[in-house]
Amino acid sequence: NAGVTQTPKFQVLKTGQSMTLQCAQDMNHEYMSWYRQDPGMGLRLIHYSVGAGITDQGEVPNGYNVSRSTTEDFPLRLLSAAPSQTSVYFCASSYGGQTVGGYTFGSGTRLTVV
Amino acid sequence: GQSLEQPSEVTAVEGAIVQINCTYQTSGFYGLSWYQQHDGGAPTFLSYNALDGLEETGRFSSFLSRSDSYGYLLLQELQMKDSASYFCALTGGGNKLTFGTGTQLKVEL
Repeated sequence: NAGVTQTPKFQVLKTGQSMTLQCAQDMNHEYMSWYRQDPGMGLRLIHYSVGAGITDQGEVPNGYNVSRSTTEDFPLRLLSAAPSQTSVYFCASSYGGQTVGGYTFGSGTRLTVV
Repeated sequence: GQSLEQPSEVTAVEGAIVQINCTYQTSGFYGLSWYQQHDGGAPTFLSYNALDGLEETGRFSSFLSRSDSYGYLLLQELQMKDSASYFCALTGGGNKLTFGTGTQLKVEL
């Protein structure tokens, strides 16, 4: 069981470039989310999905797109990178249902925009 | 919206018991979770309270009081490896998590 796999682990982008952060899980989880973590600000929700074909915005969605064509994959696209998007990005998945509260997180992607 | 407050830092000695508090404001939620994160690592799930009361998982216990908008994480028999950041999080619709800003726990000899 690989769990939640994120690629790449590190990335440096120039302002205005676009890229896709990959996220895959092999646990057949219905719920998947993307968070960004900035120093002193905890984790903030960017986008989330409650199942294949269904996505919605979180707290800080501007500048990011997502899609969920399969249960396993939930890529995050940065449309035109800005220095404010320098952060650590975590993908997470869970079975869902309010009696099962735990999310499994990937190891993160450390993104620097210059 | 939702907001959660935690102390920014807590220090305790090895072998002791420490309590990390979390107060929140929300119009509705399904439960309160706790996550541990070591420096440079990913958050890992510790505990979840859907109902009021105490949940125990080994050395860790978590408590929720909906009437007081309050919860806490209790760590017993502290070990050096428990030095990490701890986050409380509310579970909302769509199983979304809203995190607090985290508490850095330092365990000293």
